[in-house]
Amino acid sequence: GNSVTQMEGPVTLSEEAFLTINCTYTATGYPSLFWYVQYPGEGLQLLLKATKADDKGSNKGFEATYRKETTSFHLEKGSVHVSDSAVYFCALATNAGGTSYGKLTFGQGTILTVHP
Amino acid sequence: DTGVSQDPRHKITKRGQNVTFRCDPISEHNRLYWYRQTLGQGPEFLTYFQNEAQLEKSRLLSDRFSAERPKGSFSTLEIQRTEQGDSAMYLCASSLPGQGCEQFFGPGTRLTVL
Repeated sequence: GNSVTQMEGPVTLSEEAFLTINCTYTATGYPSLFWYVQYPGEGLQLLLKATKADDKGSNKGFEATYRKETTSFHLEKGSVHVSDSAVYFCALATNAGGTSYGKLTFGQGTILTVHP
Repeated sequence: DTGVSQDPRHKITKRGQNVTFRCDPISEHNRLYWYRQTLGQGPEFLTYFQNEAQLEKSRLLSDRFSAERPKGSFSTLEIQRTEQGDSAMYLCASSLPGQGCEQFFGPGTRLTVL
């Protein structure tokens, strides 16, 4: 079956530090990969996505590259801000067999706290 | 506001009672998904609809759970004979068709079963 594994948190950084949150996946078929973010008190929002191998998704200074050879989709940001404090979820969607089309399989989430 | 809305936002009930949640998707989205999220975990897929047809149900969706989307617009999720283990955040999302299409999530309904 499909699964997503994220690095365990929580992650605590100082402002302007470099961020990496690791994500690896197991999937049948050819998944699309996503990072969702959940800010305190808010709902899940799509941060970025990549739909095929070697694609790079980017948004708000965050980037992630779809690596088929290592089944990974690590999230990176060169310089974090206090406002990036949130929970980050890696997810995938596949269409294996036609019945799973579009449903998301999520990782367990990584809590990021950025201090001034 | 044209986003996904859910009602109620919070529900506290006693064990054994029935509860029903509503989700209103973004109007042009024909796909609607239900997920459940427990504390410290990522959302888990429950079921999804394309228009009014329920196309997939997770094994997490026991016989006490039922979901409908009668006219292909809003959806309801009912839990009968609630148990304490049903306490969770229930999330609704909608999207256009396609594996790579973004799912837009509602704010969720937090259920507490006493």
